[in-house]
Amino acid sequence: EDQVTQSPEALRLQEGESSSLNCSYTVSGLRGLFWYRQDPGKGPEFLFTLYSAGEEKEKERLKATLTKKESFLHITAPKPEDSATYLCAVQAWQGETSGSRLTFGEGTQLTVNP
Amino acid sequence: DGGITQSPKYLFRKEGQNVTLSCEQNLNHDAMYWYRQDPGQGLRLIYYSQIVNDFQKGDIAEGYSVSREKKESFPLTVTSAQKNPTAFYLCASSIEFRLDRANTQYFGPGTRLTVL
Repeated sequence: EDQVTQSPEALRLQEGESSSLNCSYTVSGLRGLFWYRQDPGKGPEFLFTLYSAGEEKEKERLKATLTKKESFLHITAPKPEDSATYLCAVQAWQGETSGSRLTFGEGTQLTVNP
Repeated sequence: DGGITQSPKYLFRKEGQNVTLSCEQNLNHDAMYWYRQDPGQGLRLIYYSQIVNDFQKGDIAEGYSVSREKKESFPLTVTSAQKNPTAFYLCASSIEFRLDRANTQYFGPGTRLTVL
């Protein structure tokens, strides 16, 4: 069974204080790892897809990295508008009838204070 | 603009009533998904459909039903058999059958269902 664990559950940062969010996963065969951002009362917004260990992707102040066991979302010099819940999900290689289903972690709630 | 729409944004239901949540996409995506989100829990898969007229149960399908008569539409019915239906429901879609890589799912804005 695929499993995703995110830590910490909640993180408070001061504006400009860089940090990292962790996503540990267990999957039979990783097809892809996804990061989403979710604002309160809204649907998740896609950020990154990582396909294989060693891969890195960046977008503005965010950088996602991937190893064989975990992924990190690094936030450099965050701003208050980066406050949101960040969700990690994995997609495993499965039979054709399983499609592209995702297994999600519970998320990390990030608050950036001005 | 291409995207996924869900309606209504808020829905109230009395116990014992069935209710249908709408999900429409104009992204020409093959696959569509329904998730449920509860406080403190990750998104859980209810049903998914890879192609028109075909769908499969996810991890928590009991008390729910779906149909996929058109590529653009994937409505979810929450039946009276669902014991705890109050939740935030999210619809997603993806281009399907990229067998060589992962398929990214894109989400709609969600419907918050409250059972009174």
